[in-house]
Amino acid sequence: DIQMTQSPSSLSASVGDRVTITCRASQGIRNDLGWYQQKPGKAPKRLIYAASSLQSGVPSRFSGSGSGTEFTLTISSLQPEDFATYSCLQYNSYPWTFGQGTKVEIK
Amino acid sequence: EVQLVESGGGLVQPGGSLRLSCAASGFSFSTYWMHWVRQGAGKGLVWVSRVNGDGSRPIYADSVVGRFTISRDNAKNTLYLEMSSLRAEDTAVYYCARGDGGIYGLDVWGQGTTVTVSS
Repeated sequence: DIQMTQSPSSLSASVGDRVTITCRASQGIRNDLGWYQQKPGKAPKRLIYAASSLQSGVPSRFSGSGSGTEFTLTISSLQPEDFATYSCLQYNSYPWTFGQGTKVEIK
Repeated sequence: EVQLVESGGGLVQPGGSLRLSCAASGFSFSTYWMHWVRQGAGKGLVWVSRVNGDGSRPIYADSVVGRFTISRDNAKNTLYLEMSSLRAEDTAVYYCARGDGGIYGLDVWGQGTTVTVSS
């Protein structure tokens, strides 16, 4: 199985900050990676697919990059509605696996 | 509007069985691969199972092989997860999700249904 190691597990940031979250795959997954946002009690929402493609309707302050084994999600200017948990998903091979999540909290 | 609505969750004793359903609407259900993903309280997301468009090729996480069965009824636009020999560690919110063309992960998720395995 491919392991996805996500860091940090949590972070505190202020509105307007630039935030970066990383996922590392235990083996190469090309660009078969998505990023999801989840708020308490709600279903995950896809932000990014194919490592760097922005989901329709998602604000442009969200961006993704990377290929192979290292990937990043960047929020260029954190907004109040962005405080949530973010998770990566590799869909290169089964079983698909998620990172453990990064909780973004208000500083 | 594309929508997935899960149902069937509840409280079940260890060793018991439960069937989850996921009603799909707003898209051509039979042309999409469908998945189940679960999340324990305060924990991360875990992929559980996937079925292809005609239901002929299911695949499972090792943790549920032999206990869970994924299926679909394309005439009813409904996905199912039959769960048996349930364990405490199966307690979670179960989400159904649509596979995005088979190559881009999961694009649409239901709201989830809660399964609690406890005596």
